[in-house]
Amino acid sequence: GEDVEQSLFLSVREGDSSVINCTYTDSSSTYLYWYKQEPGAGLQLLTYIFSNMDMKQDQRLTVLLNKKDKHLSLRIADTQTGDSAIYFCAESGPGGGADGLTFGKGTHLIIQP
Amino acid sequence: DGGITQSPKYLFRKEGQNVTLSCEQNLNHDAMYWYRQDPGQGLRLIYYSQIVNDFQKGDIAEGYSVSREKKESFPLTVTSAQKNPTAFYLCASSLPGDYNEKLFFGSGTQLSVL
Repeated sequence: GEDVEQSLFLSVREGDSSVINCTYTDSSSTYLYWYKQEPGAGLQLLTYIFSNMDMKQDQRLTVLLNKKDKHLSLRIADTQTGDSAIYFCAESGPGGGADGLTFGKGTHLIIQP
Repeated sequence: DGGITQSPKYLFRKEGQNVTLSCEQNLNHDAMYWYRQDPGQGLRLIYYSQIVNDFQKGDIAEGYSVSREKKESFPLTVTSAQKNPTAFYLCASSLPGDYNEKLFFGSGTQLSVL
């Protein structure tokens, strides 16, 4: 079946850039997503990218997609304490429906002062 | 404000007991979902419903049951058959028909076993 892999932890200094990486196996994915989860809360959609794109930028967030290597990354510029959270990568199946979403285990972003 | 409300925030279950987690949305979304989250794990789909009076099993439906009598509500029952129910449960909704189905999540219910 489909699989999505992420590192469990990333530690960065406040003000630096954070890069969270994700690899996936389903070559027929249509959309790839980044969700953010703050402690004790639900997930919040941060951004997404269509599989025929290679980059998407939204304010401090940059998503890079290497479809050949099935590698997705999320770069957060000027990382702030409010960015401390768990970040989940998710990929949709070929149909694009939410019932076909596969989530990674999440990357804990730790901000050092 | 539109959103998804899950209740209660914390729930305790005694052995052999069924418990029901509530999920209500006022986003006018047709589709609703239940996920289970364990520490250090990704989200796993329990059940989903694309329309009222219809629902489908997800990847880990055993020991759970759902109903969808109203568009706004999708309660999840954790039955006594679920032997390891301790987890964080997340409800979500989406607007199908949009090829890119973005999920909107509630704030979750933490279920623990006494």
